[in-house]
Amino acid sequence: GAGVSQSPSNKVTEKGKDVELRCDPISGHTALYWYRQSLGQGLEFLIYFQGNSAPDKSGLPSDRFSAERTGGSVSTLTIQRTQQEDSAVYLCASSLEIAYSGNTIYFGEGSWLTVV
Amino acid sequence: SQQGEEDPQALSIQEGENATMNCSYKTSINNLQWYRQNSGRGLVHLILIRSNEREKHSGRLRVTLDTSKKSSSLLITASRAADTASYFCATVPLGNTGKLIFGQGTTLQVKP
Repeated sequence: GAGVSQSPSNKVTEKGKDVELRCDPISGHTALYWYRQSLGQGLEFLIYFQGNSAPDKSGLPSDRFSAERTGGSVSTLTIQRTQQEDSAVYLCASSLEIAYSGNTIYFGEGSWLTVV
Repeated sequence: SQQGEEDPQALSIQEGENATMNCSYKTSINNLQWYRQNSGRGLVHLILIRSNEREKHSGRLRVTLDTSKKSSSLLITASRAADTASYFCATVPLGNTGKLIFGQGTTLQVKP
């Protein structure tokens, strides 16, 4: 597809279960980002990947959160032992080069996670 | 913590009026970007302004940047009902980074 694709679009899970959220960036984009947005709030940075460099994980809120990017393309954000405070929209984005370069960053539609 | 602070938090205007949203930030930046979000889902990039630029235009959008005051403004001229959305500023801190720091956003309602 032409844009950033995320799946699932919506996920309801029970507290304590693990969830995986997937992101397909735009083909050829070397930078990939994950953000979280709680209801009515701004976006909170989680992690970004740039090419083969070590990812910047400084925004991950706890060790229950992890992300990987295989083959420089698809990324998976994993949340282990989910808690109710993890309920949010998880947004993925990609760009040709990383943000400081000034390239346009394209966002996906997000994965809405509800932990019950 | 969020770098950007936006004001107003909410803005309601009539179609045809201009809408101005402001953003302040705390640290030196590489560039500042404005985004639009409809219905709490995906964001759409509107415009980027680099730290060495003072003003940029794109269609009905005008963005200004004052690095001495660490602030930016987004002006939407001749607003339309379809401009109703949330608008966010995001800064890229100085340095070789991919991190975007978002403000809390301004919710704009344009009444027909």
